[in-house]
Amino acid sequence: DAGITQSPRHKVTETGTPVTLRCHQTENHRYMYWYRQDPGHGLRLIHYSYGVKDTDKGEVSDGYSVSRSKTEDFLLTLESATSSQTSVYFCAIAAGRGRAGTDTQYFGPGTRLTVL
Amino acid sequence: DQQVKQNSPSLSVQEGRISILNCDYTNSMFDYFLWYKKYPAEGPTFLISISSIKDKNEDGRFTVFLNKSAKHLSLHIVPSQPGDSAVYFCAASHTSGTYKYIFGTGTRLKVLA
Repeated sequence: DAGITQSPRHKVTETGTPVTLRCHQTENHRYMYWYRQDPGHGLRLIHYSYGVKDTDKGEVSDGYSVSRSKTEDFLLTLESATSSQTSVYFCAIAAGRGRAGTDTQYFGPGTRLTVL
Repeated sequence: DQQVKQNSPSLSVQEGRISILNCDYTNSMFDYFLWYKKYPAEGPTFLISISSIKDKNEDGRFTVFLNKSAKHLSLHIVPSQPGDSAVYFCAASHTSGTYKYIFGTGTRLKVLA
């Protein structure tokens, strides 16, 4: 257990509504990530953070924004949800102690989001 | 452009036999590779990794082989057990300054008892 929680775990919403997913960690890890998992696409990086207020885009960032005002929390916001954003969303953390890209990532349990 | 590819979406193996999962990559900058295992309704968990300075890394029943010239890696599970039934993702990164990881599309392994 890497001390990662995601909330909510399930959410059903309607097209056009804003949605915020929360990732919370208790390990003080520097790096936090948001991925989405879709059939045939695997895990795709949406955004990641390398410190408080420091974020960068991943492969599929359009339609998503993130914020990290505290080390322990990384929020993913869908400003206006669309049906194409129906997916399972995973948060991950990494300590960032080793060489770049060599840290083990620990994943949260996931949030299943359905946009009707 | 899929930089990390797992061309077999699924694989079935008899219990006790070897499972071989394959992964190909296109970006020659990648120099660190990881395998993750994922059960339904859970997040992926780290399995094993390999640096490009090696061509093999072993951990118990799991061995990862890296062929840099072919830009190919494989995960061998010997002997396969029913509890190994899961989706396996390979991931790649380059250690020259980024902490981003690119994942493949996953292979669903089913180990038959």
